[in-house]
Amino acid sequence: AQKVTQAQTEISVVEKEDVTLDCVYETRDTTYYLFWYKQPPSGELVFLIRRNSFDEQNEISGRYSWNFQKSTSSFNFTITASQVVDSAVYFCALSEAPDSWGKFQFGAGTQVVVTP
Amino acid sequence: DAGVIQSPRHEVTEMGQEVTLRCKPISGHNSLFWYRQTMMRGLELLIYFNNNVPIDDSGMPEDRFSAKMPNASFSTLKIQPSEPRDSAVYFCASKTAGAPVDTQYFGPGTRLTVL
Repeated sequence: AQKVTQAQTEISVVEKEDVTLDCVYETRDTTYYLFWYKQPPSGELVFLIRRNSFDEQNEISGRYSWNFQKSTSSFNFTITASQVVDSAVYFCALSEAPDSWGKFQFGAGTQVVVTP
Repeated sequence: DAGVIQSPRHEVTEMGQEVTLRCKPISGHNSLFWYRQTMMRGLELLIYFNNNVPIDDSGMPEDRFSAKMPNASFSTLKIQPSEPRDSAVYFCASKTAGAPVDTQYFGPGTRLTVL
């Protein structure tokens, strides 16, 4: 069963628009970690953020912000005032239970296309 | 500091040939992961090591795939014999094995094409 769902396959926006990427996860563990990674056209996977299940504070880093809501099992990602350089595939990932810390469950990814 | 290093970056081979992918984790990291990325299946964890010991290889597709980590600074993923369906991008990632869980840092990937 898919544990991380990124329902949006592709989002196209014009530069300076805001874009929100949805991530819904499924777990029975009380302790878990969530991640977002960016994969630009060059192909590498770049770490963006890590969040543990006990910290529901939203986080902002420059134009990036994350909204973690345990009540809806969601960890959404917003890019404010998008730029062409934000064009990439963005992956949400879940890591559960201490004995499985090594296993990331990745979502299918959301392709963001920002046009000038 | 150097990130995760993978070689080669691109590999083109013919069906039936042996392929060896290499990975050097970040110095000081003692967990290493091999992933495969395809359009159809997305990012799949193949195997991971803690302190050079394979912990979970349940993602290895079949016996044609094998992985080793002879020391803390080197790992290989071997496919023998290779098949066209093995064509994918293979990523290596590393992290520290401490708690709380640490972030996995990915290498640039090896794009494998099997003709």
